[in-house]
Amino acid sequence: DIQMTQSPSSLSASVGDRVTIACRASQGISNYLVWLQQKPGKAPKSLIFGASNLQSGVPSRFSGSGSGTDFTLTISNLQPEDFATYYCQQHKTYPLTFGGGTKVEMK
Amino acid sequence: QVQLVQSGAEVKKPGASIKVSCKASGYSFTDHYIHWVRQAPGQGLEWVGWINPDSGDTKYAQKFQDRVTMTRDTSVNSAYMELNRLTSDDTAVYYCSRGSQSKFWGQGTLVTV
Repeated sequence: DIQMTQSPSSLSASVGDRVTIACRASQGISNYLVWLQQKPGKAPKSLIFGASNLQSGVPSRFSGSGSGTDFTLTISNLQPEDFATYYCQQHKTYPLTFGGGTKVEMK
Repeated sequence: QVQLVQSGAEVKKPGASIKVSCKASGYSFTDHYIHWVRQAPGQGLEWVGWINPDSGDTKYAQKFQDRVTMTRDTSVNSAYMELNRLTSDDTAVYYCSRGSQSKFWGQGTLVTV
């Protein structure tokens, strides 16, 4: 199975900050990576697919980069509605696997 | 618009079975695999398996291989996940999602054992 490791597991930030979340795959997955956002009590929401492509309707302050084993999600100009938990997920091979999540909290 | 609507919360005793449904609308049901993912309280996301609504083919995560069955009914655009021999470790929210890129998700079904 491909292990997905996210860092940090949590971070504190303020509105307007730039936030970066890292995700590392245990083996190369090309760009078969998605980023998900989850708020308490809600289903995950897809933000980015193909490592760097924004889903329709997702604000442009979200961006993704990387290929192979190392990936990054960046939120520029953090907004109040962005405080949530973020997961990376690979779909190169089965089983699909997820990172452990990064909780973005208000400082 | 694409929607996945799941059945309601359930409480089960250890050893029992659960069957969760996922009704799709807004797209051609047989064009996209349905995946099932679960999330234990306060924990991360765990993939359970997928079903191809067109053929009925399935693939399960190894840890669920002997306890899970995924089916579909194309006449009502619905997919189902049945999990047997429940234990307290199966207490979780179970989600269905469309496709391996997880673009669309159901609202989740809380299963309490």
